[in-house]
Amino acid sequence: SQTIHQWPATLVQPVGSPLSLECTVEGTSNPNLYWYRQAAGRGLQLLFYSVGIGQISSEVPQNLSASRPQDRQFILSSKKLLLSDSGFYLCAWSPDRARNTIYFGEGSWLTVV
Amino acid sequence: TQLLEQSPQFLSIQEGENLTVYCNSSSVFSSLQWYRQEPGEGPVLLVTVVTGGEVKKLKRLTFQFGDARKDSSLHITAAQPGDTGLYLCAGAYRNDYKLSFGAGTTVTVRA
Repeated sequence: SQTIHQWPATLVQPVGSPLSLECTVEGTSNPNLYWYRQAAGRGLQLLFYSVGIGQISSEVPQNLSASRPQDRQFILSSKKLLLSDSGFYLCAWSPDRARNTIYFGEGSWLTVV
Repeated sequence: TQLLEQSPQFLSIQEGENLTVYCNSSSVFSSLQWYRQEPGEGPVLLVTVVTGGEVKKLKRLTFQFGDARKDSSLHITAAQPGDTGLYLCAGAYRNDYKLSFGAGTTVTVRA
């Protein structure tokens, strides 16, 4: 069966520091991968998605970037965090053939102080 | 701009009562998903509906996709405290890799 893991689960970082959130998917190959951000208790905003290694599409201009160095690895980064980057970040994947259904990781809480 | 509008935004009911959550859009979707999310966790997929007029049942949960594939509803019969959570609907366009999410309905079932 397929599983998705993301880490760290919680992170407190000072303004101006770098960020790296990692996500891996197991049990599948060539998945579509996604990074979402969620405001407290509300809907999800798509940040990045990837359909293959090295292929990244950005949905919202921002202080963040994403990379996909391996087929099942997706990384969310920032060189200098802003207070507004605080939030709940979710990694997700979908099977290449059934891309309309998305499965989420456990989420990562980021607090920028 | 939210392409999917969910209503109500909040819903608080007593254990044993029924509830319905709505998801509406002016766009036609190739499929629509419902998720349930608990605080501090990722959303969990409940169901995917793909055919206009389709009705799916998952124990006490009934999901319906509108005939025109622009709206959907989630009905819970005899709600239990374990049904408490944020319910999210998400629509997919044909040949698109992305889902559009509604803002969610927060459901609280009191014991």
